[in-house]
Amino acid sequence: NAGVMQNPRHLVRRRGQEARLRCSPMKGHSHVYWYRQLPEEGLKFMVYLQKENIIDESGMPKERFSAEFPKEGPSILRIQQVVRGDSAAYFCASSRFDPGVGEETQYFGPGTRLLVL
Amino acid sequence: AQSVTQPDIHITVSEGASLELRCNYSYGATPYLFWYVQSPGQGLQLLLKYFSGDTLVQGIKGFEAEFKRSQSSFNLRKPSVHWSDAAEYFCAVGARTGGSYIPTFGRGTSLIVHP
Repeated sequence: NAGVMQNPRHLVRRRGQEARLRCSPMKGHSHVYWYRQLPEEGLKFMVYLQKENIIDESGMPKERFSAEFPKEGPSILRIQQVVRGDSAAYFCASSRFDPGVGEETQYFGPGTRLLVL
Repeated sequence: AQSVTQPDIHITVSEGASLELRCNYSYGATPYLFWYVQSPGQGLQLLLKYFSGDTLVQGIKGFEAEFKRSQSSFNLRKPSVHWSDAAEYFCAVGARTGGSYIPTFGRGTSLIVHP
């Protein structure tokens, strides 16, 4: 069973360009989470999605950032008009909902390292 | 809002020595608590978690953690460290939302293992 996949693993963009980060959850998982990790810091929650729905986006910057998780295909984190401060590692995690258990473990992908020049 | 404090930025131990990484949390209700490990350039791997029940939790790779409500702590321990344990360790506390939970992470503790 393949784990959470993210691509690209490394992404270089110039200021003002767009960055698209993709996340394919583990098989059978319908919940996706995006986190950002700045150097020397822990992960910060950005957004939580289920298929075709944004459940919690309290950690998303108000401008330039958006996320989607379509019915088919991977989840996409999109950053428009990137700035140097967007340089970070972006991690995706996925989990499945088990009504019998009530809590779900999040499994993390290897991350995308974004560098903005 | 919940928060996590990992007071030690770096910890250095000798291979074979015991290890304890400290974690203190702040949360108004019964917390969900986690320890993750991150190797350089990699994603996070779950070591163990506490949701309820026995306050001493066993995890993978020989790690364990003890939930102490009176001290708001969830310290990670290992009796004998191996060189391969050198990594970044993150403690997290989770808040329920929308059928799942959202963890808040500490800043991490970097473990250095001397031969």
